[in-house]
Amino acid sequence: GNSVTQMEGPVTLSEEAFLTINCTYTATGYPSLFWYVQYPGEGLQLLLKATKADDKGSNKGFEATYRKETTSFHLEKGSVQVSDSAVYFCALSAPGGFKTIFGAGTRLFVKA
Amino acid sequence: DAGVTQSPTHLIKTRGQQVTLRCSPKSGHDTVSWYQQALGQGPQFIFQYYEEEERQRGNFPDRFSGHQFPNYSSELNVNALLLGDSALYLCASSYGFGDQETQYFGPGTRLLVL
Repeated sequence: GNSVTQMEGPVTLSEEAFLTINCTYTATGYPSLFWYVQYPGEGLQLLLKATKADDKGSNKGFEATYRKETTSFHLEKGSVQVSDSAVYFCALSAPGGFKTIFGAGTRLFVKA
Repeated sequence: DAGVTQSPTHLIKTRGQQVTLRCSPKSGHDTVSWYQQALGQGPQFIFQYYEEEERQRGNFPDRFSGHQFPNYSSELNVNALLLGDSALYLCASSYGFGDQETQYFGPGTRLLVL
C-alpha cells in the first residue's frame, strides 16, 4: 500500500543553519506530495506541495522537489529561524484518492 | 473568514463512555475528513464525508462513526471508549470530489480517556 517514511527526530539546529528533512514514499501512479507543519498546540498547516514529477514546491523559504526516480520529497531551508521550531510532516495523496497519508513527523528545534 | 473550527478543544472521558466531536468546515468547503493523531505519530485517516455520506473509511472499527449535516458541518462519534482512543482528533475540510490539494485542518480536539 501507499506509505511515507521520514527521518526520525528530533533535529536540533542553531539559528541560520541549513535544514534538510528526508522523506521517501511508496505509491502506485503519481501521487501528490505535501509538507505540513504543526506548531505547538496547533493543528496542521500546509507548508508546500508538488503535484507532478520534478515540480518544486516552495513557501516561507522552504523548498522540496518531487523526485520520481528516487521516490523522494526532501524538505530544505537555507537558514532556519527559532520560529521554525515545529513538527514537520511529509504526506501524499494518491490519484483519485480521498485520504492523505502522513509520515510519523520530524520535530525540529532551532536554538538562538 | 473563519477557518475550520472544532469543538470542544479538550475532553476527558472514562473507558466505556461515548463521545461526540464537532467540526465546522471552512466557508465554501463541502467535504469533511477526520483524522486521529496519537501522541508522537502522524495523523491517521478515519473517514471522509461528502454530500452527507461516508465516502471512504480508513482502518478504524465500527465504534467510530460520523455524520455530515446539510450545512456541511460534521460530527465524529466514538462509542465504548478505550484507553487507546486517547489522541488529538483533527478535522479537515476541502472542496469538491477527491481534492486533497486545498485541504485545511482545524486545531483539533484533544481527547483523554482514563
